[in-house]
Amino acid sequence: DAKTTQPPSMDCAEGRAANLPCNHSTISGNEYVYWYRQIHSQGPQYIIHGLKNNETNEMASLIITEDRKSSTLILPHATLRDTAVYYCIVRGTGTASKLTFGTGTRLQVTL
Amino acid sequence: NAGVTQTPKFQVLKTGQSMTLQCAQDMNHNSMYWYRQDPGMGLRLIYYSASEGTTDKGEVPNGYNVSRLNKREFSLRLESAAPSQTSVYFCASSPAPSYEQYFGPGTRLTVT
Repeated sequence: DAKTTQPPSMDCAEGRAANLPCNHSTISGNEYVYWYRQIHSQGPQYIIHGLKNNETNEMASLIITEDRKSSTLILPHATLRDTAVYYCIVRGTGTASKLTFGTGTRLQVTL
Repeated sequence: NAGVTQTPKFQVLKTGQSMTLQCAQDMNHNSMYWYRQDPGMGLRLIYYSASEGTTDKGEVPNGYNVSRLNKREFSLRLESAAPSQTSVYFCASSPAPSYEQYFGPGTRLTVT
């Protein structure tokens, strides 16, 4: 599975959009981009995933560049409850494909 | 739906003691996983079960054994606990191996 690079930390004002970048320049054609977050010491929470098209759900939007070498997770209206560590993960499909968590981006949402 | 549940929430063991961490899911998922998370680090996969009746090693399997008791339950056993196994243990499940995973609340284990 391809490796990802994320900034260690970011700040965002409450009510503003939080844009979290992820670089995955070695991604291959059948690998998906997944985003999870971990609030304080809880279990990680699945947010969204995509292959090449942009995706949106009730939690967030995922924008993947045309060359698929990077992506951005967008939380449209961040709240204090969105303060968490966000993990960008690239994984293929199949039985042997596993989630590999890096150190993620610590997002701090402030008043 | 309770989702993924784990017991116990906290545990303190002495070196050499054994224990089993329990995990159950009520989402009818085929695949289940055990991870550990050490302070300031990401999660690392210990073992996984792609489907009922199968188990496979992950990244850090040494010192652990697992049992997929049935489709709902996947347990993790420490036969002889060591201080290096002090960690937070998360269980997860997914509909199939390549799908998104849903995590339990974790078990905080301290080995003295």
